[in-house]
Amino acid sequence: DAGITQSPRHKVTETGTPVTLRCHQTENHRYMYWYRQDPGHGLRLIHYSYGVKDTDKGEVSDGYSVSRSKTEDFLLTLESATSSQTSVYFCAISASGGPGSNTEAFFGQGTRLTVV
Amino acid sequence: AQSVSQHNHHVILSEAASLELGCNYSYGGTVNLFWYVQYPGQHLQLLLKYFSGDPLVKGIKGFEAEFIKSKFSFNLRKPSVQWSDTAEYFCAAGSSASKIIFGSGTRLSIRP
Repeated sequence: DAGITQSPRHKVTETGTPVTLRCHQTENHRYMYWYRQDPGHGLRLIHYSYGVKDTDKGEVSDGYSVSRSKTEDFLLTLESATSSQTSVYFCAISASGGPGSNTEAFFGQGTRLTVV
Repeated sequence: AQSVSQHNHHVILSEAASLELGCNYSYGGTVNLFWYVQYPGQHLQLLLKYFSGDPLVKGIKGFEAEFIKSKFSFNLRKPSVQWSDTAEYFCAAGSSASKIIFGSGTRLSIRP
């Protein structure tokens, strides 16, 4: 398995509190992604990063912010958690490079977040 | 705009039936194509990938996919499914110069 670790793996938090999820990689891959997965909605991209301090929004970015100050770490912050943000969050990484590069995405184990 | 479409949201089959899951993509430039599988309670894992060469790609667990450039398709097939293939399947497209894009997934249920 690729070196990608999510923490925490499970978290219960109260509505209105800030929450930060961490994704750590040891593969030196350029791209990092945060997805949420909910029944009936598949994977939805929240934010992604294409380099240190380079991030962009995905399709469901409202209420979330990200930061990438180092290649290996990509943080997802729920600024003020709401019950609608109860979900399973997956981090993924992928490489870039010249033609023929392996651009396969590798996924973390997921974080189950419950907002009560 | 880049996109990946999976036409089937939920497929139900009996054991030993043949499987084909559709995937179409819209992606500029040289595209790499992937199928991922997610078993219940687990994270996504790679089933197979296409970068170049033979458009018929064989993956793990008897799965294969065919890249048809003229149809912008990358359909997943398996001649005879098993109960253990019950999972969600995701098609994805990427390139060396851009991010990877996932389809919305197809849930596969296998009746024993």
